[in-house]
Amino acid sequence: DAKTTQPTSMDCAEGRAANLPCNHSTISGNEYVYWYRQIHSQGPQYIIHGLKNNETNEMASLIITEDRKSSTLILPHATLRDTAVYYCIVRVGSSNTGKLIFGQGTTLQVKP
Amino acid sequence: SAVISQKPSRDICQRGTSLTIQCQVDSQVTMMFWYRQQPGQSLTLIATANQGSEATYESGFVIDKFPISRPNLTFSTLTVSNMSPEDSSIYLCSARGEVLYGYTFGSGTRLTVV
Repeated sequence: DAKTTQPTSMDCAEGRAANLPCNHSTISGNEYVYWYRQIHSQGPQYIIHGLKNNETNEMASLIITEDRKSSTLILPHATLRDTAVYYCIVRVGSSNTGKLIFGQGTTLQVKP
Repeated sequence: SAVISQKPSRDICQRGTSLTIQCQVDSQVTMMFWYRQQPGQSLTLIATANQGSEATYESGFVIDKFPISRPNLTFSTLTVSNMSPEDSSIYLCSARGEVLYGYTFGSGTRLTVV
């Protein structure tokens, strides 16, 4: 079973930051948090992943709480093309054998 | 990051028949996976395709229904056997390559069983 819980849906105004929360209270010390998104009829797209420290790349920022029981994905300036289902995933297993078990995700609707 | 090609992209099949889906990666990868996405649902992991050995199946999935091959580090196939309308789903291949880029997904095979 998935180790994460996310809100079912969220809205965000175009140009504003989208903050997507995720709870993973049973995460183990060596388990990574991954974020993916899926735009309708496409395969999931990698966004970002992290273990303990906050991470940032060209797409988003990932903020992980100190106790690692929750995290937030931040899209700094949401556009209409960011409308998608966002999945927060705790990788099960090690770096060499780990697999991604998807939960239900958050449907983000970016509105003009 | 690795690029994944899946074939076919879609198919309509008669019940009782089988369909083999191919997954080709443009570079050698350590791990490959197969997922199912039923209409309106999230992705469910079917199995991990192991190179040179039998696939590792998740609970609820069996080899007789979903035989998997992985003859080398860049290619895998998933067969959906003895299909019924309940097998109508999108089937996705995924691969783990360079750590920096996470897990890559193909665009999926949309299967309709009639």
